[in-house]
Amino acid sequence: DVVMTQSPLSLPVTLGQPASISCRSSQSLVSGDGNTYLNWFQQRPGQSPGRLIYKVSNRDSGVPDRFSGSGSGTDFTLEISRVEAEDVGIYYCMQHTHWPWTFGQGTRVEIE
Amino acid sequence: EVQLVETGGGLIQPGGSLRLSCAASGITVSDNYMGWVRQAPGKGLECVSVITSSGSTFYADSVKGRFTVSRDSSKNTLYLQMNSLRAEDTAVFHCFLGGGRYWGQGTLVTVSS
Repeated sequence: DVVMTQSPLSLPVTLGQPASISCRSSQSLVSGDGNTYLNWFQQRPGQSPGRLIYKVSNRDSGVPDRFSGSGSGTDFTLEISRVEAEDVGIYYCMQHTHWPWTFGQGTRVEIE
Repeated sequence: EVQLVETGGGLIQPGGSLRLSCAASGITVSDNYMGWVRQAPGKGLECVSVITSSGSTFYADSVKGRFTVSRDSSKNTLYLQMNSLRAEDTAVFHCFLGGGRYWGQGTLVTVSS
């Protein structure tokens, strides 16, 4: 199975400051069709996960542009340019290049 | 607007069976990859099963041979038949569309005697 490793697992941030989450995969996520199926999800307390980013760097409709994704191969990053109070929650990366689809352990973002 | 609504969770004894349903609106279940992700209490996310638009099915090793994913085009509904349930299957089960663009609210399955 592809192991997805996120860091940090806990991220205290100051309102208005940037934040960055790393996600590394145990093997390349480049698919045979040339796409890299790496997504980012946000799970607010008591809610279902919601997708923020798909295929590394594509923001879903309705997602604020302060969220951005980057990376390639096995190394990926989610960045929040200026953290707002509503960004509190747990963030997961997920790969769906290889079965079984796997998630990172989650990074808990909280306001300092 | 896409909506996914799961039902069928509940309290079940070890060794028992449950069938989860995911009623979809705004999309056609049979035209899409769909699947089930579970989240044990206080834990992370695990993708347990996927069914492709062509009907191919995939299962996590932890549920292989016990769970079966299927769909009914006439009802536009996705199912997860869960047999031989174990305490470690206790989780909120979410259905989802494709690469996770849409999720249901989840249904809680508790396996306990």
